[in-house]
Amino acid sequence: EVHLVESGGGLVQPGRSLRLSCAASGFTFDDYAMHWVRQAPGKGLEWVSSISWNSGTIGYADSVKGRFTISRDNAKNSLYLQMNSLRVEDTALYYCAKDSLAAAAGTNDYWGQGTLVTVSS
Amino acid sequence: QSVLTQPPSVSGAPGQRVTISCTGSSSNIGAGYDVHWYQQLPGTAPKLLIYGYTNRPSGVPDRFSGSKSGSSASLAITGLRAEDAADYYCQSYDSSLSGSRVFGGGTKLTVL
Repeated sequence: EVHLVESGGGLVQPGRSLRLSCAASGFTFDDYAMHWVRQAPGKGLEWVSSISWNSGTIGYADSVKGRFTISRDNAKNSLYLQMNSLRVEDTALYYCAKDSLAAAAGTNDYWGQGTLVTVSS
Repeated sequence: QSVLTQPPSVSGAPGQRVTISCTGSSSNIGAGYDVHWYQQLPGTAPKLLIYGYTNRPSGVPDRFSGSKSGSSASLAITGLRAEDAADYYCQSYDSSLSGSRVFGGGTKLTVL
């Protein structure tokens, strides 16, 4: 059974940094692309970033480009999101989601439960 | 404001049929990119409902179906049940955006 467990969220001041992690199990991690998707309180889903199976293709939403960095460690079955220069508008529940393909071009067939990031002074 | 437009809300009585539209343009749905649908029950993570316009993952009832017409896609739910009350999101790709993965704004389904 596929499991995705996010961690690393919390309360942080504007301008500070935070690193999210996603531990994956139940599938061959290095066969699939992975994504981060966020949901602000009471709002819809917003795609944040994607990384292909071998980290060869990476993409970011314009809202986080230059501030966030996605990475993965296939040996540890883990996905990461380094978030720098955080803004109040980055406050959201951050989901880790598996792609159905090795390239980040399929559907998000499995999702974690999310980790909450709150940016506030 | 998403490039994929969904109605904010739809409603129906138990047993009825409802449809949720996802309207795009020539840079996303109209360009032939796949559309996927997700269901988000209250307080839970999204769940894949339909992929590649019309395909259902294992375990999704055949009351849920997807279709495409031009630059739009639709999700239909027949035999509406109370447990279908949820938020529904479409997702596709857009060639005019960096990174290119986009979600619709979401539709809240109320079962009367």
